[in-house]
This record gives sequence, structure tokens and C-alpha cells, in this order.
Amino acid sequence: EVQLVQSGAELKKPGDSLKISCKSSGYSFTAHWIAWVRQVPGKGLEWLATVYPDDSDVRSSPSFQGRVTISVDKASATTYLQWNRLRASDTAIYYCARPHSGIFSHLDFWGQGTLVTVSS
Amino acid sequence: DIQMTQSPSSLSASVGDRVTITCRASQSINTRLAWYQQKPGKAPNLLIFKASNLERGVPSRFSGSGSGTEFTLTISSLQPDDFATYYCHQYDSSWTFGQGTKVEIK
Repeated sequence: EVQLVQSGAELKKPGDSLKISCKSSGYSFTAHWIAWVRQVPGKGLEWLATVYPDDSDVRSSPSFQGRVTISVDKASATTYLQWNRLRASDTAIYYCARPHSGIFSHLDFWGQGTLVTVSS
Repeated sequence: DIQMTQSPSSLSASVGDRVTITCRASQSINTRLAWYQQKPGKAPNLLIFKASNLERGVPSRFSGSGSGTEFTLTISSLQPDDFATYYCHQYDSSWTFGQGTKVEIK
């Protein structure tokens, strides 16, 4: 059974750093891209970036390029999303999701989401 | 960037109603479009991919159609479990989501 399990909710202050995780299981981790999608509470879905775990190739949305960093640990089948300096506007639910095939495909499995709250 | 315009933004309907949601792309995306259902506090759930293909396990009352720039999601007979927010998603060129349609109880 394919599963994407994300780390728990975070409460941070502006300027803090943060790394959240998404652990994959039930499929070949290095054979599928992993995407990160953001949802500001009460709003719609926005694509941040996608990574290919086999070689860590990253494709980013121009809207978020330079704001977040994606990394991968193949040994633990875990993908990470990282910020160096959080802003209040980063407050959102962050989902990891698996494209069905190839980099740009429909998203057939999703993590449960990680709520990131940035507040002074 | 391809823009996706979804309408309506919300609708009220009764159990048993036929419901149609529309998504328009700013340029042709062939049939590279998916529909998701999202319930409060939950991750989106894939309903339809490649414009008209029903994901395994999704009830047959859901259907999708369209190609190019105009797409529709239809729920043939609305059930209590269907009250949720629905999003379209183009994956032809990069990724873009529609703004969502909230389906509420009338």
C-alpha cells in the first residue's frame, strides 16, 4: 500500500528555520517524483516544487524558487522541504504528493499535510 | 503560465441533484487535467485523471469530460458524502490548480 506520511505541525517565529518531512512507503521511492503543494488556510492549492529522488533533480515553481529547498534521503525514503528564514506569509498546510508517472502527472497519492504556523 | 479558471466558486445543491463544475484553461492542455475532492481537514483525493478517466475506487456517479481548454466534472446524483470542495489541476505545462468549487447543502 502506497503511503506518504508527513511530520507533525510546527509553530515557528518569523526568521526561524524549519525542515518538514514526507516519508514514502509501499512503492519504489527512486522511481517516482515527489511534489510539494501548499494550501493557505481557507484558500486553494499551489505547487511549490517537485524532486526526483533518484538524482535529486528539482523543478520549482517560479513563485517559490529560492524560498524553499527540497532534499532527499534515499536510505530512509524521505523527502524534505526546508526554509532558512520563515515569514508570516509562509503560514499554510504543506502537502507532499506523488505524481503518477513522470514529472508532470496527476497526483495519485497524498500525504496527510503538515500545518506550518509562523507567528511572533 | 497556464491559468485555470474554475466556476462556480461555490454552489448549493440537494441530495440527488446533478451537479456540474467547469474549468477553463488559458491555453490548450489537451486532456492533461485531473479533478480532486477535498474535505475539511483532509488532503485532496484524486477523482478523475486525463480529463475523463475515473480513478479506481471512485464512485461512478463522478464523471469528467472535455479537452483543449474546456473541462467539466459532473456528479450525476449528489450524495451526502459529496459535499466538499473540488479542484481541477492541469499538468500539461508545469502545474496549476483551479481556485476550487465548494459544494454545499441546499
